[in-house]
Amino acid sequence: AQSVTQLDSHVSVSEGTPVLLRCNYSSSYSPSLFWYVQHPNKGLQLLLKYTSAATLVKGINGFEAEFKKSETSFHLTKPSAHMSDAAEYFCVVSEVNSGGYQKVTFGTGTKLQVIP
Amino acid sequence: EAGVAQSPRYKIIEKRQSVAFWCNPISGHATLYWYQQILGQGPKLLIQFQNNGVVDDSQLPKDRFSAERLKGVDSTLKIQPAKLEDSAVYLCASSLRQGRNNEQFFGPGTRLTVL
Repeated sequence: AQSVTQLDSHVSVSEGTPVLLRCNYSSSYSPSLFWYVQHPNKGLQLLLKYTSAATLVKGINGFEAEFKKSETSFHLTKPSAHMSDAAEYFCVVSEVNSGGYQKVTFGTGTKLQVIP
Repeated sequence: EAGVAQSPRYKIIEKRQSVAFWCNPISGHATLYWYQQILGQGPKLLIQFQNNGVVDDSQLPKDRFSAERLKGVDSTLKIQPAKLEDSAVYLCASSLRQGRNNEQFFGPGTRLTVL
Protein backbone atom coordinates (compact mmCIF):
# COMPACT_ATOMS: atom_id res chain seq x y z
CA ALA A 1 0.00 0.00 0.00
CA GLN A 2 1.17 3.51 -0.71
CA SER A 3 0.66 6.69 1.26
CA VAL A 4 1.77 10.30 1.34
CA THR A 5 2.14 12.56 4.36
CA GLN A 6 2.50 16.28 3.98
CA LEU A 7 3.81 17.38 7.32
CA ASP A 8 2.47 20.94 7.31
CA SER A 9 -1.04 21.97 6.36
CA HIS A 10 -0.04 25.66 6.27
CA VAL A 11 3.30 27.36 5.70
CA SER A 12 3.82 31.11 5.89
CA VAL A 13 6.97 32.82 4.57
CA SER A 14 8.01 36.36 3.81
CA GLU A 15 8.60 37.34 0.20
CA GLY A 16 12.23 36.74 -0.75
CA THR A 17 12.85 34.08 1.93
CA PRO A 18 13.30 30.34 1.30
CA VAL A 19 10.38 27.94 0.99
CA LEU A 20 10.36 24.38 2.37
CA LEU A 21 7.31 22.14 1.96
CA ARG A 22 7.76 18.70 3.48
CA CYS A 23 6.56 15.38 2.12
CA ASN A 24 7.12 11.81 3.29
CA TYR A 25 5.90 8.77 1.41
CA SER A 26 5.41 5.06 1.77
CA SER A 27 5.41 2.64 -1.16
CA SER A 28 5.65 -1.11 -1.70
CA TYR A 29 7.21 -0.67 -5.14
CA SER A 30 9.63 1.74 -6.76
CA PRO A 31 7.53 4.87 -6.88
CA SER A 32 7.56 8.02 -8.90
CA LEU A 33 6.89 11.21 -6.98
CA PHE A 34 5.32 14.43 -8.12
CA TRP A 35 4.56 17.89 -6.82
CA TYR A 36 1.49 19.66 -8.16
CA VAL A 37 0.40 23.24 -7.49
CA GLN A 38 -3.18 24.52 -7.32
CA HIS A 39 -3.77 28.24 -7.49
CA PRO A 40 -7.17 29.52 -6.31
CA ASN A 41 -9.89 28.66 -8.82
CA LYS A 42 -7.32 27.13 -11.16
CA GLY A 43 -6.62 23.55 -12.17
CA LEU A 44 -3.79 21.44 -10.81
CA GLN A 45 -0.48 21.97 -12.57
CA LEU A 46 2.63 19.80 -12.48
CA LEU A 47 5.62 21.46 -10.81
CA LEU A 48 8.13 18.62 -11.07
CA LYS A 49 8.51 14.87 -10.95
CA TYR A 50 11.02 12.26 -9.81
CA THR A 51 11.21 9.11 -11.93
CA SER A 52 14.34 7.31 -10.61
CA ALA A 53 16.88 9.29 -12.59
CA ALA A 54 18.59 12.19 -10.79
CA THR A 55 17.59 12.49 -7.14
CA LEU A 56 17.59 16.30 -7.30
CA VAL A 57 14.79 17.39 -9.56
CA LYS A 58 14.30 20.89 -10.93
CA GLY A 59 10.86 22.13 -11.81
CA ILE A 60 9.13 25.20 -13.05
CA ASN A 61 9.25 28.63 -11.41
CA GLY A 62 12.49 27.93 -9.55
CA PHE A 63 11.21 25.02 -7.47
CA GLU A 64 13.22 21.88 -6.86
CA ALA A 65 12.87 18.72 -4.80
CA GLU A 66 15.26 16.08 -3.57
CA PHE A 67 14.36 12.39 -3.40
CA LYS A 68 15.89 10.77 -0.30
CA LYS A 69 15.17 7.07 -0.23
CA SER A 70 16.72 6.50 3.19
CA GLU A 71 14.40 9.12 4.68
CA THR A 72 11.43 8.32 2.38
CA SER A 73 11.15 12.05 1.76
CA PHE A 74 10.59 14.31 -1.22
CA HIS A 75 10.65 17.85 0.14
CA LEU A 76 9.95 20.84 -2.12
CA THR A 77 12.15 23.91 -1.89
CA LYS A 78 12.63 27.30 -3.48
CA PRO A 79 15.43 29.73 -2.58
CA SER A 80 13.33 32.88 -2.68
CA ALA A 81 9.54 33.09 -2.39
CA HIS A 82 7.52 35.28 -4.72
CA MET A 83 4.02 36.57 -4.12
CA SER A 84 2.80 34.50 -7.06
CA ASP A 85 3.88 31.31 -5.25
CA ALA A 86 0.94 31.61 -2.86
CA ALA A 87 -1.11 28.49 -3.61
CA GLU A 88 -1.78 24.96 -2.39
CA TYR A 89 0.83 22.32 -3.08
CA PHE A 90 0.23 18.58 -3.31
CA CYS A 91 2.77 15.80 -3.05
CA VAL A 92 1.81 12.72 -5.07
CA VAL A 93 3.12 9.16 -5.14
CA SER A 94 2.61 6.93 -8.16
CA GLU A 95 3.42 3.27 -8.60
CA VAL A 96 2.46 0.42 -10.88
CA ASN A 97 0.72 -2.25 -8.87
CA SER A 98 0.86 -6.00 -9.27
CA GLY A 99 -1.98 -5.81 -11.75
CA GLY A 100 0.08 -3.58 -14.04
CA TYR A 101 -1.96 -0.46 -13.45
CA GLN A 102 -0.86 2.91 -12.20
CA LYS A 103 -1.99 3.79 -8.69
CA VAL A 104 -1.81 7.45 -7.66
CA THR A 105 -2.22 8.87 -4.15
CA PHE A 106 -2.34 12.55 -3.26
CA GLY A 107 -1.23 14.10 0.00
CA THR A 108 -3.58 16.35 1.92
CA GLY A 109 -1.92 19.51 0.66
CA THR A 110 0.12 22.40 2.08
CA LYS A 111 -1.21 25.91 1.74
CA LEU A 112 1.63 28.36 1.17
CA GLN A 113 1.10 31.96 2.25
CA VAL A 114 3.62 34.59 1.11
CA ILE A 115 3.74 37.77 3.16
CA PRO A 116 4.85 40.97 1.42
CA GLU B 1 -2.88 21.21 -27.60
CA ALA B 2 -6.30 21.54 -26.01
CA GLY B 3 -6.46 20.68 -22.32
CA VAL B 4 -8.91 18.55 -20.37
CA ALA B 5 -12.41 19.98 -20.65
CA GLN B 6 -15.06 19.65 -17.98
CA SER B 7 -18.63 20.84 -17.71
CA PRO B 8 -20.45 22.30 -16.00
CA ARG B 9 -18.04 24.40 -13.93
CA TYR B 10 -20.54 24.90 -11.12
CA LYS B 11 -23.65 23.05 -10.04
CA ILE B 12 -26.04 23.57 -7.14
CA ILE B 13 -28.61 20.90 -6.36
CA GLU B 14 -30.74 19.79 -3.45
CA LYS B 15 -30.09 16.54 -1.64
CA ARG B 16 -31.65 13.47 -3.20
CA GLN B 17 -31.47 15.03 -6.67
CA SER B 18 -29.33 13.62 -9.47
CA VAL B 19 -26.39 15.27 -11.20
CA ALA B 20 -24.01 14.42 -14.02
CA PHE B 21 -20.58 15.74 -14.91
CA TRP B 22 -18.86 15.49 -18.26
CA CYS B 23 -15.16 15.26 -19.10
CA ASN B 24 -13.32 15.31 -22.41
CA PRO B 25 -9.66 14.31 -21.99
CA ILE B 26 -6.69 15.38 -24.07
CA SER B 27 -6.84 13.76 -27.49
CA GLY B 28 -5.02 10.45 -27.56
CA HIS B 29 -4.87 9.99 -23.80
CA ALA B 30 -5.81 6.43 -22.94
CA THR B 31 -6.14 6.82 -19.20
CA LEU B 32 -8.86 8.92 -17.56
CA TYR B 33 -9.36 9.61 -13.86
CA TRP B 34 -12.16 11.10 -11.78
CA TYR B 35 -11.23 12.60 -8.42
CA GLN B 36 -13.29 14.08 -5.60
CA GLN B 37 -11.70 16.99 -3.74
CA ILE B 38 -13.50 18.01 -0.57
CA LEU B 39 -12.64 21.48 0.75
CA GLY B 40 -9.35 21.39 2.64
CA GLN B 41 -8.40 17.92 1.47
CA GLY B 42 -6.33 16.41 -1.30
CA PRO B 43 -7.99 14.86 -4.34
CA LYS B 44 -9.28 11.34 -3.77
CA LEU B 45 -9.39 8.97 -6.73
CA LEU B 46 -12.93 7.76 -7.46
CA ILE B 47 -12.42 5.79 -10.65
CA GLN B 48 -9.74 5.17 -13.27
CA PHE B 49 -10.36 4.08 -16.87
CA GLN B 50 -7.94 2.58 -19.34
CA ASN B 51 -9.58 3.25 -22.71
CA ASN B 52 -13.21 2.22 -22.06
CA GLY B 53 -12.47 -0.27 -19.27
CA VAL B 54 -12.43 0.34 -15.52
CA VAL B 55 -9.09 -0.49 -13.86
CA ASP B 56 -9.78 0.91 -10.38
CA ASP B 57 -13.09 1.86 -8.80
CA SER B 58 -12.28 0.72 -5.28
CA GLN B 59 -13.14 4.11 -3.73
CA LEU B 60 -16.26 4.82 -5.76
CA PRO B 61 -19.46 4.73 -3.64
CA LYS B 62 -21.22 2.44 -6.04
CA ASP B 63 -24.61 2.72 -4.36
CA ARG B 64 -24.92 6.28 -5.63
CA PHE B 65 -22.03 7.04 -7.99
CA SER B 66 -21.58 5.68 -11.49
CA ALA B 67 -19.24 6.51 -14.35
CA GLU B 68 -18.80 5.46 -17.92
CA ARG B 69 -16.43 5.99 -20.80
CA LEU B 70 -18.26 4.15 -23.54
CA LYS B 71 -16.13 4.96 -26.57
CA GLY B 72 -12.86 5.33 -24.72
CA VAL B 73 -12.84 9.09 -25.15
CA ASP B 74 -15.12 11.35 -23.09
CA SER B 75 -16.60 10.28 -19.79
CA THR B 76 -19.60 10.99 -17.57
CA LEU B 77 -19.75 10.78 -13.77
CA LYS B 78 -23.21 10.60 -12.19
CA ILE B 79 -24.45 10.92 -8.65
CA GLN B 80 -27.93 9.62 -7.85
CA PRO B 81 -29.20 10.52 -5.30
CA ALA B 82 -26.89 13.22 -3.98
CA LYS B 83 -26.12 13.67 -0.28
CA LEU B 84 -24.88 16.74 1.56
CA GLU B 85 -21.43 15.15 1.95
CA ASP B 86 -21.04 14.98 -1.84
CA SER B 87 -20.38 18.73 -1.91
CA ALA B 88 -16.91 18.93 -3.42
CA VAL B 89 -14.94 19.74 -6.54
CA TYR B 90 -14.94 16.88 -9.04
CA LEU B 91 -11.74 16.77 -11.03
CA CYS B 92 -11.12 14.92 -14.24
CA ALA B 93 -7.58 14.11 -15.35
CA SER B 94 -6.02 12.21 -18.21
CA SER B 95 -2.64 10.72 -19.00
CA LEU B 96 -1.14 9.31 -22.14
CA ARG B 97 -0.87 5.74 -20.88
CA GLN B 98 -0.38 3.60 -17.79
CA GLY B 99 2.96 3.79 -16.04
CA ARG B 100 4.22 5.27 -12.80
CA ASN B 101 6.07 8.10 -14.55
CA ASN B 102 3.14 9.45 -16.45
CA GLU B 103 2.04 12.98 -15.67
CA GLN B 104 -1.66 13.58 -15.20
CA PHE B 105 -3.26 16.60 -16.85
CA PHE B 106 -6.16 18.07 -14.93
CA GLY B 107 -9.28 19.87 -15.99
CA PRO B 108 -10.61 22.93 -14.15
CA GLY B 109 -13.07 20.87 -12.12
CA THR B 110 -16.79 21.04 -11.39
CA ARG B 111 -17.76 22.56 -8.06
CA LEU B 112 -20.83 20.78 -6.69
CA THR B 113 -22.88 22.23 -3.85
CA VAL B 114 -25.58 20.01 -2.36
CA LEU B 115 -28.16 21.89 -0.25
